[in-house]
Amino acid sequence: LQLEESGPGLVKPSETLSLSCTVSGASISSSDSYWAWIRQSPGKGLEWIGSIYFSGATYYNPSLQSRRTVSIDWSKNQVSLKVTSVTAADTAIYYCVRHYAYSQLSRDWFDPWGPGILVTVSS
Amino acid sequence: YELTQTPSISVSPGQTVTITCSGARLGDTYACWYQQKPGQSPALVIYLDSKRPSGIPERFSGSSSGNTATLTISGAQTMDEAEYFCQAWDRGTAIFGGGTKLTVL
Repeated sequence: LQLEESGPGLVKPSETLSLSCTVSGASISSSDSYWAWIRQSPGKGLEWIGSIYFSGATYYNPSLQSRRTVSIDWSKNQVSLKVTSVTAADTAIYYCVRHYAYSQLSRDWFDPWGPGILVTVSS
Repeated sequence: YELTQTPSISVSPGQTVTITCSGARLGDTYACWYQQKPGQSPALVIYLDSKRPSGIPERFSGSSSGNTATLTISGAQTMDEAEYFCQAWDRGTAIFGGGTKLTVL
């Protein structure tokens, strides 16, 4: 299983950050997997953004409120992330990660992680 | 809700090192641990408090008691020098600790 993030490395303030993650070596419709986005910035460490199941069901971190959307494209075996109205605080490395669904959220874990993509918010 | 880790630990090769993670409701859930070497993505080393993924050396072990989870490296090696993050779920949200930078020299 491999994950690879893609998208622009530079986004202007107030615009929308859009990233894609291509999943290879496994079906995105696997019943034991969610697909997650996690970001890492120097100031805030690791921050889970959200996860999506192949059915389209999503879990989100309330910290980003309604600015984020995670979606799934079954035909391309891809997961996408959009973050609207970005500011410098959204500058981070964004990781696409498999969220292993063990039985209930409290038992789930993240593995493997994609290489990550650095997104800088700057004019 | 926060998971608290000691920011840094330094040990000599061969020593046993324990890295702790504390959280007010950690006793109600399970902890995972991730290792991140410079310039690399995090990698899972422990899940479900104490389970080790295939390929992770036996010197890595995990435990949990009360509201504290612990990662133990028995006989640390220079290749174990990395930052270690704990993670748990709280009310439907994945939370990460601030990380512990382990130096082995």
